[in-house]
Amino acid sequence: KNQVEQSPQSLIILEGKNCTLQCNYTVSPFSNLRWYKQDTGRGPVSLTIMTFSENTKSNGRYTATLDADTKQSSLHITASQLSDSASYICVVSDRGSTLGRLYFGRGTQLTVWP
Amino acid sequence: EADIYQTPRYLVIGTGKKITLECSQTMGHDKMYWYQQDPGMELHLIHYSYGVNSTEKGDLSSESTVSRIRTEHFPLTLESARPSHTSQYLCASSEYYPDSTRTEAFFGQGTRLTVV
Repeated sequence: KNQVEQSPQSLIILEGKNCTLQCNYTVSPFSNLRWYKQDTGRGPVSLTIMTFSENTKSNGRYTATLDADTKQSSLHITASQLSDSASYICVVSDRGSTLGRLYFGRGTQLTVWP
Repeated sequence: EADIYQTPRYLVIGTGKKITLECSQTMGHDKMYWYQQDPGMELHLIHYSYGVNSTEKGDLSSESTVSRIRTEHFPLTLESARPSHTSQYLCASSEYYPDSTRTEAFFGQGTRLTVV
């Protein structure tokens, strides 16, 4: 069964600190993996997208890694800001269908305190 | 910001009423989707469309229906709303590439529906 598991479920950190969010998946065949940021009451916004051959990708203070062998990804946030408070969702797409099926994790709820 | 819009943002409605949630995108995307999301839970695909006059049901069974008469418009309708329909509904669109590794999905801001 294709699944995406994220940890931790929630995380509280102080402003300026770094944090790492984890994503494990069983989606096969694998096409790509995305990290989305979802602010409360809003739609998800894409942070990074990685394909099978990419190990790391950065977007400002966000750095995502992918290990396609172990089917694990992480999202590292550097020098956190209050505006980073949001839900971070890992989304994996499969290959072999025209839809490019998306499988969503439940998200990690990040809260940044001043 | 992606050009995909949902209206209304919030809706409180009585049981038995018919409602239509609007979703429009100006990017010319062929693929459009409707997802349902309960608080703290993952998004579940309820409907999708490959293009005009194409609609399919997603993984999560839903009593809602959709239509795709124009590329830019993908409304979702509930003929008779019930409290169990209370949830957040997110619309998304994406470009179609035969190589789906480049597919990017853009989401609207969502409609939070409460049926009382």
